[in-house]
Amino acid sequence: NAGVTQTPKFQVLKTGQSMTLQCAQDMNHNSMYWYRQDPGMGLRLIYYSASEGTTDKGEVPNGYNVSRLNKREFSLRLESAAPSQTSVYFCASSLSPGRANEKLFFGSGTQLSVL
Amino acid sequence: QKEVEQNSGPLSVPEGAIASLNCTYSDRGSQSFFWYRQYSGKSPELIMFIYSNGDKEDGRFTAQLNKASQYVSLLIRDSQPSDSATYLCAVNLDRGSTLGRLYFGRGTQLTVWP
Repeated sequence: NAGVTQTPKFQVLKTGQSMTLQCAQDMNHNSMYWYRQDPGMGLRLIYYSASEGTTDKGEVPNGYNVSRLNKREFSLRLESAAPSQTSVYFCASSLSPGRANEKLFFGSGTQLSVL
Repeated sequence: QKEVEQNSGPLSVPEGAIASLNCTYSDRGSQSFFWYRQYSGKSPELIMFIYSNGDKEDGRFTAQLNKASQYVSLLIRDSQPSDSATYLCAVNLDRGSTLGRLYFGRGTQLTVWP
């Protein structure tokens, strides 16, 4: 049971390049999330998908787009990367929205550097 | 503004001591509170959750919640060097919502020295 799988693990981009971070979960979870983590800043929510077919903005959505491809997969796209997007990105999933099911399961993270 | 604040740390305690980690949050209507542990270079993992006022114990860990004071804490008894990590407080700040979005504090780095 792989849980939450993110690819790639490391990526270096030049300013203005685009890329897509992939995330897949095999736990039959309904909700999926993208967070970024910067030193001293904790985790900040970029976008989330409460259920298949829906997406919504989190705290820091500017410069990103997402696609909930199906129940398993939730991708994050940087259309024109900027140095301010250098960060560690975590995908997470939870069984469903709602108080009793808010436990997040995290992927292993993607270290992204934008030069 | 939705905020989750943690004591900035770093916190350093000797092996066997009690480590106390604190967290305050901005929305009195919050319902769900979580503590995640994150080892350096790894992803966060859930160690405790609490929904009701009072204490909740799980092994060496105790979560304490006081909704009136908007305060949640984590106590680690008999601290071990393997407890050295960053501890993240997370709160559902969406009042009355079932969306389940969690807001995280900046984390407190704990070091337990032998």
